[in-house]
Amino acid sequence: DQQVKQNSPSLSVQEGRISILNCDYTNSMFDYFLWYKKYPAEGPTFLISISSIKDKNEDGRFTVFLNKSAKHLSLHIVPSQPGDSAVYFCAASPYNTDKLIFGTGTRLQVFP
Amino acid sequence: ETGVTQTPRHLVMGMTNKKSLKCEQHLGHNAMYWYKQSAKKPLELMFVYNFKEQTENNSVPSRFSPECPNSSHLFLHLHTLQPEDSALYLCASSPLERTGANVLTFGAGSRLTVL
Repeated sequence: DQQVKQNSPSLSVQEGRISILNCDYTNSMFDYFLWYKKYPAEGPTFLISISSIKDKNEDGRFTVFLNKSAKHLSLHIVPSQPGDSAVYFCAASPYNTDKLIFGTGTRLQVFP
Repeated sequence: ETGVTQTPRHLVMGMTNKKSLKCEQHLGHNAMYWYKQSAKKPLELMFVYNFKEQTENNSVPSRFSPECPNSSHLFLHLHTLQPEDSALYLCASSPLERTGANVLTFGAGSRLTVL
């Protein structure tokens, strides 16, 4: 049973526009949600996180929104840049554990 | 060396071989992890070690045997693997004492092919 789902395997966005990546989860017992970015031949790198008691966290061009009632979070990148082209993973951590549970990833392509 | 280093980066082995993957972190973290990434699947947590003690075994087959001799080193011993075990194996580390999210730092991974 997949607890963290990313239903869009890919997304293509023009440079300068907004990229919106979505993630759904099924478990109410997550206390943090994280986004990671992965380039080919590299490991995932941490991008931004949000606590379950917040509904928004912003860091430069990246903003994560959390809708607990819908069990949904999204990552907004604005403006999108070609260097943002990568696979983006949503992850969630259950309370009082060291685990991170990942989604399948969304491949973002930003074209000029 | 900085961050999390994994060796080898690529490994091809037969089903009867015995090999090991190595991970080393230079971040002073106390927790280390093995994840498996297969095509079109989520990153799957395999093992978690806290202060060298295994705290999580996510129903991993016994043909995968982890070893954590100290907080900086983590191994994954492989024997009698199957072709479906071919995947990218990612090592990660994180600090146990933290405020906020448990941010894992990943290595670049070891690409394993089982023939």
